[in-house]
This record gives sequence, structure tokens and C-alpha cells, in this order.
Amino acid sequence: SQQGEEDPQALSIQEGENATMNCSYKTSINNLQWYRQNSGRGLVHLILIRSNEREKHSGRLRVTLDTSKKSSSLLITASRAADTASYFCATDAGNKLTFGGGTRVLVKP
Amino acid sequence: KAGVTQTPRYLIKTRGQQVTLSCSPISGHRSVSWYQQTPGQGLQFLFEYFSETQRNKGNFPGRFSGRQFSNSRSEMNVSTLELGDSALYLCASSPDRVGDNSPLHFGNGTRLTVT
Repeated sequence: SQQGEEDPQALSIQEGENATMNCSYKTSINNLQWYRQNSGRGLVHLILIRSNEREKHSGRLRVTLDTSKKSSSLLITASRAADTASYFCATDAGNKLTFGGGTRVLVKP
Repeated sequence: KAGVTQTPRYLIKTRGQQVTLSCSPISGHRSVSWYQQTPGQGLQFLFEYFSETQRNKGNFPGRFSGRQFSNSRSEMNVSTLELGDSALYLCASSPDRVGDNSPLHFGNGTRLTVT
């Protein structure tokens, strides 16, 4: 079963625009992580936010976490064609990392 | 540092056969996790090994097994293959146990096709 559910399932934007995707989960977590996957390849870790943190930045990425609503968002600013990929949230409840279904992002040049 | 290495990259097997997939983690990483990725079910957790011990196992039948060696390299085995086992199998390593706030470092996976 999937703990995290991403919304939207797919997103199409123009280069230079911002992309926002959301993740909702069901149980208490130690941390929440975001990963990127290019077609047919392995996942690349983007950012980890702990349960006692509310916001975190890494380059053009901004992640928020609201534990009261059991939700997180990933914002990619000033998107580039190279950001085209699937993005997954993953929740760490202490003994395994559970991934959501992912958001497919297409950045058009 | 070299990344996580999975071999082979592609594999074609027939129903009923068995298969062994290999994963070499990043040097110094002691935890290895395995995931199955399919279009229908997404990323499903198979198991995690830490210091040669299986810490956790996902909801898969006993045909799926794994092990970890003293050098942290890991193998997973699937016996009596079924068509539904066709998937991308991903291995990931981390320096610490999952749950210790360490991100996972993934290999590029083994694409298994069962015919």
C-alpha cells in the first residue's frame, strides 16, 4: 500500500514557470523525502525534511511540511526542460520508506 | 565515490525460472533496500538489509528472498517466476538504517521481463 499520495498525477508547464506538487500521507512520520526519477532510471534524492521542520530550501527547490494536515508540497521555481521527470514523495515512519505514486512533470521549452 | 551498481541491467526470463539480481552499495553504506517498480503498483518495498540482517520485509510472497554479504553487497532472488514479476527492480543504499534520517541512494535498476 502507498502511504503518500501525490497530486496532481501529471503537470505540464512552460520553461521558466514554477511547478508545485503536493503529497498527503496517513500516519506519523520521522521525515518526508522527495525524489526525482528520469525515465527508466533510478531515483535521485532531492530533499529530506524532518517532522519537526516546516520548510526547507535547496537551490530552486522549496519543500514545506504540515504535520497537522499530514501533507507536504514541493515547489520547483524557474523550471527548466531538464526538470522533466517524475517526482515522488516518500515517508519514513521508522522502519521503511514508503513511496507515493508520483507526479509526472513535463517542462516544455 | 562510485554510486550504487546493479547488475544485470536487463534480464529476460521464462515463467517458472528463477533469477538472481545483484546490488553493490556505495562504499561505507551498510543498509541496502530493494524496491519493485511497476506501472500499476508503483514503487513497492521488498526488504531492507542492514549489517547482513533483514530488518524489514514488504508484503511479497516467499518466492522473493534476499541476502546481504559481509561487504554489504546484496542479492535478491525470485523463484518460480510469474508474468506479474516483470518490473524494474531498484536497489538503494544508505549509510545508516532506514529511519535514521538518511536519504536513499538508488542504482539504475534491473529491468526484468518474464515471458
